[in-house]
Amino acid sequence: DAKTTQPTSMDCAEGRAANLPCNHSTISGNEYVYWYRQIHSQGPQYIIHGLKNNETNEMASLIITEDRKSSTLILPHATLRDTAVYYCIVRVAQGGATNKLIFGTGTLLAVQP
Amino acid sequence: KAGVTQTPRYLIKTRGQQVTLSCSPISGHRSVSWYQQTPGQGLQFLFEYFSETQRNKGNFPGRFSGRQFSNSRSEMNVSTLELGDSALYLCASRLGHITDTQYFGPGTRLTVL
Repeated sequence: DAKTTQPTSMDCAEGRAANLPCNHSTISGNEYVYWYRQIHSQGPQYIIHGLKNNETNEMASLIITEDRKSSTLILPHATLRDTAVYYCIVRVAQGGATNKLIFGTGTLLAVQP
Repeated sequence: KAGVTQTPRYLIKTRGQQVTLSCSPISGHRSVSWYQQTPGQGLQFLFEYFSETQRNKGNFPGRFSGRQFSNSRSEMNVSTLELGDSALYLCASRLGHITDTQYFGPGTRLTVL
């Protein structure tokens, strides 16, 4: 089962910041929070990840609460091309060299003109 | 650098047939994971290969199998196809260390008639 909870859908006006929340209250100390997005019928696209500190890259910012039980992905200036399903994933590590992603249902972000 | 490539992009088969899907990882990446995406079950992990060895396996029947070659390219095979195997099959690659990010290919859309 997915270890994260996200709203099913959100709307955002074009040009405004999109703030996508994620709850991961059972996260372990060595687990990262990853964000991917999937535009209809395409492969998921990596956005950003973090462990405990806030992170920023050319696509987005990731804000992780101090207790690490929740996080927010921020798209600073949403465009119509940002309309997608956004997945928040706590990365599960098994053994010494394995890695699988457990996807939940994600948040459908609809950017409105 | 080229991304993850998957062939073919679209495939139509009939029940009872078998199918082989191919994935070429990003150059230098040694780990390849496979996922199945259906409207009902979402994105589910199939298996992961690292250095030609299967390192982790999801909860799928034995009809689903895979392998990885010495150049890190991977194939997955589904035998005795069922209607429920219709799905988008996604391949993701990463460098190799457990903390490395997974990057997805565009997927192969399999339709079973």
